[in-house]
Amino acid sequence: DAGVTQSPTHLIKTRGQHVTLRCSPISGHKSVSWYQQVLGQGPQFIFQYYEKEERGRGNFPDRFSARQFPNYSSELNVNALLLGDSALYLCASSLMIRQGGFEKLFFGSGTQLSVL
Amino acid sequence: AQSVAQPEDQVNVAEGNPLTVKCTYSVSGNPYLFWYVQYPNRGLQFLLKYITGDNLVKGSYGFEAEFNKSQTSFHLKKPSALVSDSALYFCAVRDPSNQGGKLIFGQGTELSVKP
Repeated sequence: DAGVTQSPTHLIKTRGQHVTLRCSPISGHKSVSWYQQVLGQGPQFIFQYYEKEERGRGNFPDRFSARQFPNYSSELNVNALLLGDSALYLCASSLMIRQGGFEKLFFGSGTQLSVL
Repeated sequence: AQSVAQPEDQVNVAEGNPLTVKCTYSVSGNPYLFWYVQYPNRGLQFLLKYITGDNLVKGSYGFEAEFNKSQTSFHLKKPSALVSDSALYFCAVRDPSNQGGKLIFGQGTELSVKP
């Protein structure tokens, strides 16, 4: 079975541009989360979607937005890119979410975004 | 606020020796704790989790972790390290206020296993 797939794998943008990152979860998984990993740091939570609804949002500016489609794939959009947005963006899927949330996450290999 | 600390940026171990990667946490309520590993140019892979029950949790690739509530620690261990264990290791705690996927990660520990 295919794991979590993300596209593109690498992306170079300039300041002020907009970017869209895509994620396809493992088949049957209904929850998708997005994380930002800056070099030398642990991943930081950006969003979580479940059944096409936003279920959680991290401490990121409104320039960051996301959505989940009926097939459970997801897009992360970042507007007005800043140099500091340069990072590895990770998508993770899980089968479902439950109160307490102890399902393990399955991560994709990420999209490396460089903002020049 | 929930947080995770990994006090060592890097751990160096000789192949065949036991290894320990340290993690301490701060969380209100019962902690849900995880270890993930990241190989170069790869996403994170799940190793193990502690939810409740036995304080010694066994996971993938021969790794285990010991939950210590009094010391608020969740150290990752392996009895005999392999060169292929060299990678970046992340400890994480589930934010109990979030129903699903929000994990709070430590800053990571680079494990280097030398032959």
